Amino acid sequence: SQQGEEDPQALSIQEGENATMNCSYKTSINNLQWYRQNSGRGLVHLILIRSNEREKHSGRLRVTLDTSKKSSSLLITASRAADTASYFCATLQGGKLIFGQGTELSVKP
Amino acid sequence: DSGVTQTPKHLITATGQRVTLRCSPRSGDLSVYWYQQSLDQGLQFLIHYYNGEERAKGNILERFSAQQFPDLHSELNLSSLELGDSALYFCASSNHKDRMNTEAFFGQGTRLTVV
Repeated sequence: SQQGEEDPQALSIQEGENATMNCSYKTSINNLQWYRQNSGRGLVHLILIRSNEREKHSGRLRVTLDTSKKSSSLLITASRAADTASYFCATLQGGKLIFGQGTELSVKP
Repeated sequence: DSGVTQTPKHLITATGQRVTLRCSPRSGDLSVYWYQQSLDQGLQFLIHYYNGEERAKGNILERFSAQQFPDLHSELNLSSLELGDSALYFCASSNHKDRMNTEAFFGQGTRLTVV
């Protein structure tokens, strides 16, 4: 079964707006990761947040982690058309790196 | 460039056939993961090898098998292919220096089409 579940499944915004994606997971974790996938291409690692961290920033990305709610969010600020892609959260459980179903983000110029 | 190489990039084959997908991990990475991605199933974890040994198994069909060789490259074998096996197959590698840092680096995938 999938460990991470993303919400929303699809998000359409205008360039310059912020995009927020959420991820929920089911069991305890050491860390949670976010990845990006452009259509038909390999996934690219964006950011990793450890279980003892609550927030992490990388450029225009901000990730939060709430282990009590077993949830994480990815915020992309000042979005650009080039941010159009699918975004996945992932957790490692028992040797399995499990990905959620992803959020498909469309940023319109 | 992630440093992970997958070959071939594209593969078209007939039902009932057998194919082998190859993955070369990043230099120094001991872990290799295999995934199947189709439109209706999302990114499905198949199997994880660590330093030549199977570490974890996901929803991998009995018709599928994998192995990791002493030089750490890995192969995914798909046999008795069915139309439903058409998908993108990804491998990813990770060095697992510690359990807190497990980011994975993905190859560009092999697009398998079964006709």
